Parts: sequence; structure tokens; C-alpha cells
Amino acid sequence: TAGITQAPTSQILAAGRSMTLRCTQDMRHNAMYWYRQDLGLGLRLIHYSNTAGTTGKGEVPDGYSVSRANTDDFPLTLASAVPSQTSVYFCASSAAGGSYNEQFFGPGTRLTVL
Amino acid sequence: AQSVSQHNHHVILSEAASLELGCNYSYGGTVNLFWYVQYPGQHLQLLLKYFSGDPLVKGIKGFEAEFIKSKFSFNLRKPSVQWSDTAEYFCAVANRDDKIIFGKGTRLHILP
Repeated sequence: TAGITQAPTSQILAAGRSMTLRCTQDMRHNAMYWYRQDLGLGLRLIHYSNTAGTTGKGEVPDGYSVSRANTDDFPLTLASAVPSQTSVYFCASSAAGGSYNEQFFGPGTRLTVL
Repeated sequence: AQSVSQHNHHVILSEAASLELGCNYSYGGTVNLFWYVQYPGQHLQLLLKYFSGDPLVKGIKGFEAEFIKSKFSFNLRKPSVQWSDTAEYFCAVANRDDKIIFGKGTRLHILP
């Protein structure tokens, strides 16, 4: 079972360019999440989706957008990248939204914005 | 707003030493508690979790954690660490109706 896949694995991006980070899960989980991981800051939630067709803002949503057209996919878009968005991005999913459910994480995308 | 505090940012131990990583949270209501581990180059995975019942919970790989409600703490312990325990450990807390908030992580380095 693949679980959660993310693409690309890593990317170097020029400031001002747009980019979409892809996330796909095959567990039929309802809830999906995007986090960024920065040294000394831990994981911070960017956006989430409790079910297909709905999305919500997390702790650090500015500069990012998401969509949830179906259960399996949850892409994260940077419309105009800035160097402060250099980070490792993790997608996660759980059977349902809310805090009872274990979150399963993808392998991450390392993004460098120059 | 709830928050999670991990006291140690970086811990270095020798093999067979005992481990305790501190985690405190701020939230007055009922909480769910988690410890996640991230091995070098890998993604996060669940180590253990507490929802209710026995406040001493057992996780994978010999880890355990104790929920002390009066101290708002959920410390992670292991009696004897191994080199393979080298990883970053994240405490996470959520109230029953909200999303999970992660601590900033503790990097554990085990000397062989």
C-alpha cells in the first residue's frame, strides 16, 4: 500500500514563480492536511480539508492555496513564491477530521525558493 | 489558544541510557495527546497516543508516555535507548473538536 505520495521530492524555485505541490492518498481518508516543517519551529499547519469539497485555513495559510476536488488529491499551490517559503512540506491524512484520528504523513517535498 | 512546549531541543545520550523527553501543553479542557517520531530522512510516524483511560500508555519500540493532568504534561520515556532511536520527536496535542498542534520537536542523538 502506497499510503501517501507527494511530488516532487524536491524543487528549486525562483522567487515570483508559481508552483503546485501534489499529494495523493490511497487510504480513502476523509481528512487531509498540509504542514510545513522548519528547523526550530516544528510542524505548522498551512491548510486542511475535512472532506472532499471543503477546505480550511491552518496556522500559516498566507501565500498558499489548496483545493479538494476529490477524496484522494489535495494539491498545495504557491501563487508567487517568496524565499520565506523555503521549507519541507508534508502532506498528511486521517480517516476523519478532528483530533481522535491518527494522521499519516507523506515523505515530504523539500522546496527551496531563491 | 492551545500550545505545546517541548523543553529539550536537542538531547544527546549514550546507548542504554534512560530517556525522558518533556512535553507540556496549555489547554484547560479535555485533550488528546500524541508523540510522533521522524527518523532521519523519513516522514513522521505515530509513536503512541492517549485519548482516555490508563494515563500510562505504551507505544512502539519500547516507548511509553505518562499523562499527568494536574501538570498538563505528557512526557515520553524509554528505559534503555538504542542507536536506532536517533530521530526527532514531536509531541502533539488537540482538544476534542480541533486540529492537532505540534510542538517544535526534540532532536535525539544516541551515541553508539
